[in-house]
Amino acid sequence: GESVGLHLPTLSVQEGDNSIINCAYSNSASDYFIWYKQESGKGPQFIIDIRSNMDKRQGQRVTVLLNKTVKHLSLQIAATQPGDSAVYFCAENISGGSYIPTFGRGTSLIVHP
Amino acid sequence: EAGVTQSPTHLIKTRGQQVTLRCSPISGHTSVYWYQQALGLGLQFLLWYDEGEERNRGNFPPRFSGRQFPNYSSELNVNALELEDSALYLCASSWGQGSEKLFFGSGTQLSVL
Repeated sequence: GESVGLHLPTLSVQEGDNSIINCAYSNSASDYFIWYKQESGKGPQFIIDIRSNMDKRQGQRVTVLLNKTVKHLSLQIAATQPGDSAVYFCAENISGGSYIPTFGRGTSLIVHP
Repeated sequence: EAGVTQSPTHLIKTRGQQVTLRCSPISGHTSVYWYQQALGLGLQFLLWYDEGEERNRGNFPPRFSGRQFPNYSSELNVNALELEDSALYLCASSWGQGSEKLFFGSGTQLSVL
């Protein structure tokens, strides 16, 4: 299940389960969103992105859903594997300008074999 | 193609000292971003350089500074180190102003004792 600790929210799942990681963004003008994965000792790596003219986008084992009405993003990971264990960040941006990509707090995903 | 490289990977300093962190962007990228990631926390924006100019600055004191060189590499300088400066410092690069996707290095882990 999901729990909120002193710092990072944590989601613990069993291998093979589907995982859903949620993110609320703050700027209603944001029109481009990215999910990043950060493994221990590494920098964030791009997973998938979505623009505001879409509400769903699928990649390999991952799906991002965007609900602009409530300013909410989710990342769904199908058949979660131990290698998916990492911290996941969403980032919001405004295309074409000098807006600074703003990152969410992050969610720690722990996959148990 | 080489990714974003940062040096050093780890650094231990004492309070009051000064430190310089270095970042080489992906070839062809002109924008460099610096973020601070304290343990268990999200990414806090520090500085953005593009084409050699500082384009934006986060909510950090003036003792955090940097520059970008003609080859687009960048340095982050932190003066008068404080204990709370202990963090992972991440550098990211992108194609340039208005570009949306950031590519991150693995970071420099700074410990201030």
